[in-house]
Amino acid sequence: DVKVTQSSRYLVKRTGEKVFLECVQDMDHENMFWYRQDPGLGLRLIYFSYDVKMKEKGDIPEGYSVSREKKERFSLILESASTNQTSMYLCASSAPPEYGYTFGSGTRLTVV
Amino acid sequence: GDSVTQMEGPVTLSEEAFLTINCTYTATGYPSLFWYVQYPGEGLQLLLKATKADDKGSNKGFEATYRKETTSFHLEKGSVQVSDSAVYFCALSLNYGGATNKLIFGTGTLLAVQP
Repeated sequence: DVKVTQSSRYLVKRTGEKVFLECVQDMDHENMFWYRQDPGLGLRLIYFSYDVKMKEKGDIPEGYSVSREKKERFSLILESASTNQTSMYLCASSAPPEYGYTFGSGTRLTVV
Repeated sequence: GDSVTQMEGPVTLSEEAFLTINCTYTATGYPSLFWYVQYPGEGLQLLLKATKADDKGSNKGFEATYRKETTSFHLEKGSVQVSDSAVYFCALSLNYGGATNKLIFGTGTLLAVQP
């Protein structure tokens, strides 16, 4: 089975800190995604990547950046964490032909 | 734009009751459709999928049929168990001219099954 691993289940960071969320997949998938999940809003796409060093903005990229130096790893960066970035962050990967996603277990980030 | 609408929750049922969670979509092309499930404290897991009209996806006693005429993909199960308590997300996948498809989610429906 495809496995998507997020490095931390829970994180607490201070306002203004630079935060790195790491995601690794082990099935050679081309596509990787970062979502945030908030009550009543469902999942919202932050950024995605379809190849090494390639990235595209999703629906809510403001305040975030990403890095994909290797195919298996996709990092989400909060340049200067703010309290409104407190959320559950979910990483996913996918491959053709049907593009169903495989998700990691999520990182619950609290910014204080 | 393209979107997914699913019924508001929470849905509270007794064990062995029949479950329906409604899902309708709006899409400019011909999407693939998915149901994902999220158990407490976990990430999303793919429950079932359908890639073209009239396809039926099924898994673990859950079923959903891709209805193009009504743009719907309702989730059903004949007899729910306490262990089915979770949040269920309906989603569609489309290519927007880029290198990959994007998955668009509904807001999720919380199902609580009581013994």
